[in-house]
Formats: sequence, C-alpha cells, structure tokens
Amino acid sequence: NAGVTQTPKFRVLKTGQSMTLLCAQDMNHEYMYWYRQDPGMGLRLIHYSVGEGTTAKGEVPDGYNVSRLKKQNFLLGLESAAPSQTSVYFCASSYHPGQGSWSNQPQHFGDGTRLSIL
Amino acid sequence: DQQVKQNSPSLSVQEGRISILNCDYTNSMFDYFLWYKKYPAEGPTFLISISSIKDKNEDGRFTVFLNKSAKHLSLHIVPSQPGDSAVYFCAAPLSGGYNKLIFGAGTRLAVHP
Repeated sequence: NAGVTQTPKFRVLKTGQSMTLLCAQDMNHEYMYWYRQDPGMGLRLIHYSVGEGTTAKGEVPDGYNVSRLKKQNFLLGLESAAPSQTSVYFCASSYHPGQGSWSNQPQHFGDGTRLSIL
Repeated sequence: DQQVKQNSPSLSVQEGRISILNCDYTNSMFDYFLWYKKYPAEGPTFLISISSIKDKNEDGRFTVFLNKSAKHLSLHIVPSQPGDSAVYFCAAPLSGGYNKLIFGAGTRLAVHP
C-alpha cells in the first residue's frame, strides 16, 4: 500500500514563482489536510477538505490555495511564492469515524515536500 | 485559546531505561489526544491516542497518561530502544471538528546504548 504520496519531494523556487504540490491517497479517505512544519514549531494546518469538491481554511491559509477535484487528490498551490513560505509541507488523510471516536481514526501522513524559496 | 506545549525540545535516555515525554495543553475542552512519532525525512506516524474520558492507555511498550486537572499528558516508553530515537509530537483536535489537529513543537528523543 502506498498510503499518502506527495510530489515533489524537494523543490527550490524563486520569489514570485508559482507551483503546485500534489498529494494522493489510496485509502479512500474522506478527509485530507495540508500542514507546514517550521523549525522549532509543530505542524500547523494550512487548509483541509472534508470531501471531493470541498475545501476550508485552517490556521495559516494566507498565500495558499487548494483544490480537491478528485477524492484521492488534494493539491496545494502557491500563486506567488515568498521566502516566508520556505518550509516542509505535509499532507495527511483520515476516515470519518462514523459513530466512533476521532481518537480511533488518526491521520496518515505523507513523507513531506521540502520547499525552499530564494 | 488552543495550545499544545512540549517544553522539552530534547531528551536523552539510556537503552533499556524509561523515556518520559511531556505535553501540556490549555483547552480543557479537548476530548482526545494523540502522539505521533517522526523519523528524519519521513512523515509523522501515529503512535497512540487517549480519549479524555480515560486517564491511561497502553499499547505494548508505550503508555500515555492523562491528568485532566493539570492539563497534562505524558508518554512513557518502557524499555527504551535505539529504534525509538525520533521526534515525538503530541496533538489535540482544533475546534470546529473534522479531525483537524494542533501539534506541539515536538521532543527529540535520543536513546543511546
């Protein structure tokens, strides 16, 4: 099982350039998330999606856009990259627990995309 | 205010001994907590969780304790092994549902022979 796959793994951009990070999951999960991790900080939620065609803002959404055209894919876009967006980006997915507890439906993470913006 | 704090950036433990990783939180309404483990160049992987209606959850060598009055949880690893060397994050749900998570800054555990 591939689980959650992120592409690319590394990328260097110049300020002002645009790019799209791709996340794909093969677990048929309803929910998908984008986080960023910066040195000395925990992961912070950028955007999330609760189903195909839906997206919502997380804690730090400014400067990013997302799309979920297919259930298995969640794209994160940077329209005009800034040095402050240099970070490691993680995608995650999870099931809805139904009648159960969220504590039993942990998020599954990809291996991250390391993005440097010069 | 929703915060999850891991005040120890690093911890060094001898193989075979107990590792205790700590986490404090500010929101008494959190109804579950999770611990994730992260190796370099990999994504976080789920380790263990605890519901707020419990004060202890155990899975093999890993036990999480929850003290709601102190707003504190801890992860105990017994016995510690070199393969446990990683960064450990505690996490709790952000308000608004949908399993959104807020993470602590992480504690880097080094288990040495």
